[in-house]
Amino acid sequence: GESVGLHLPTLSVQEGDNSIINCAYSNSASDYFIWYKQESGKGPQFIIDIRSNMDKRQGQRVTVLLNKTVKHLSLQIAATQPGDSAVYFCAEESGGSNYKLTFGKGTLLTVNP
Amino acid sequence: GAGVSQSPSNKVTEKGKDVELRCDPISGHTALYWYRQSLGQGLEFLIYFQGNSAPDKSGLPSDRFSAERTGGSVSTLTIQRTQQEDSAVYLCASSLVGQNTGELFFGEGSRLTVL
Repeated sequence: GESVGLHLPTLSVQEGDNSIINCAYSNSASDYFIWYKQESGKGPQFIIDIRSNMDKRQGQRVTVLLNKTVKHLSLQIAATQPGDSAVYFCAEESGGSNYKLTFGKGTLLTVNP
Repeated sequence: GAGVSQSPSNKVTEKGKDVELRCDPISGHTALYWYRQSLGQGLEFLIYFQGNSAPDKSGLPSDRFSAERTGGSVSTLTIQRTQQEDSAVYLCASSLVGQNTGELFFGEGSRLTVL
């Protein structure tokens, strides 16, 4: 999950396993959440989003779960592939801003072949 | 081009010099954002443009930082009298107006190193 400091949390998995990346958010007023993937040397890329009136949303090989009670967000990646290796960021949008995202510090996912 | 384009991709400058970073958003995207990413950190919001106006500049770290956008398209982020703590990757993103910001399209960033 996310943490404060210069060292990113890391998750190392074997190819083909499922990955779960966690994120704790702080603003209970946030009503929109997004996961981004950032490969080395590139800009972040949108993966999946979820609104606060939902607790689960599925995409292709990815699922986002939202637990508003404990302000927790997770990204599940099924059948993880080497191409999934990247830093994953969660981001939240506070109610009313409609534009400003607050990003977590990221989790480094390494997929071992 | 098809995506957000930023230049230069890398900039090394001496402390005290001014730098300009450029962003070409996706054609038709009226919303434009600048973020800063320090080593091993998340993205820090700097400024948001809607068209040519900047309704939120609250993330600019100091008055040495400024940004403008012309023609509802290209944006320039200017850092005056650079300091070593300004070293970071500066990311630009754009999105369609009226759309949740989740679908931000980022450029590859401009890596700034201040010696």
